[in-house]
Amino acid sequence: AQSVTQPDIHITVSEGASLELRCNYSYGATPYLFWYVQSPGQGLQLLLKYFSGDTLVQGIKGFEAEFKRSQSSFNLRKPSVHWSDAAEYFCAVGARAGGTSYGKLTFGQGTILTVHP
Amino acid sequence: GAGVSQSPSNKVTEKGKDVELRCDPISGHTALYWYRQSLGQGLEFLIYFQGNSAPDKSGLPSDRFSAERTGGSVSTLTIQRTQQEDSAVYLCASSSTGGRLNTEAFFGQGTRLTVV
Repeated sequence: AQSVTQPDIHITVSEGASLELRCNYSYGATPYLFWYVQSPGQGLQLLLKYFSGDTLVQGIKGFEAEFKRSQSSFNLRKPSVHWSDAAEYFCAVGARAGGTSYGKLTFGQGTILTVHP
Repeated sequence: GAGVSQSPSNKVTEKGKDVELRCDPISGHTALYWYRQSLGQGLEFLIYFQGNSAPDKSGLPSDRFSAERTGGSVSTLTIQRTQQEDSAVYLCASSSTGGRLNTEAFFGQGTRLTVV
C-alpha cells in the first residue's frame, strides 16, 4: 500500500524568502505524484503533478517540485514566497493501476504555511 | 457545469439521523473519489469509482457508510445513523481516464457535515 509523509506540520517563512516543503512517499514502483494547495474555506487546487519524464516539474504560481526516486521524495519549492501563498499544502500519491491510470490518491497530513510580512 | 459540484454545502443533522451527500463530477470524467477531511485526520480516502469497475471501498470507516454512482455520473454518499465523529468536510473529486493518461483529480468545494 502506498503512503505519504509530510514531516513538517507547520512552516513559517518571511515574504520573499525561499520555500521548500518536504514530501516522502512509500510505494513499490514509480508512483504518480501531486501537490495540492488549500486556502482557508476553499477546495483543493492542483499545483503540479509528476507522471513520468523530466523529474523537475513546473507548476502554477511559480512552484516547482523535483522527483527523486533514490530518496522517495517529491519536495515542493518556490524561490520567493508571496503573502498570498499562505495556505495548507498537501502531497499525494496515486498508485499505477493498470495501463496508465491510477487508483485512489493517498494524501499526506498536510503542511500549513504561514507567511510573515 | 465546469467543475465538480457538491450539495449541500453545509449540513447540520441530529445524531442518529441518516444523511445523503451529492456529487456531480465534471462531465465525461470516469473516475470519482470521496474523501473526508477532519481536524487532525488530514484527507482520508473513503471510496473510488472507476467506470464500470467494482468500486474501491477500502476506505469506508464502517458499514454505516455507503456510496453509489448512478449512470456513471452523479454519486451519492450516504451515512446512516450519524455519529458526532462523522462531523467533517466531505470532499468529492473526479478525473478523466480517457486517452492515454489520467488527468489530475479535480475537487469540489465539499460538504461540511455537523452532527449535533
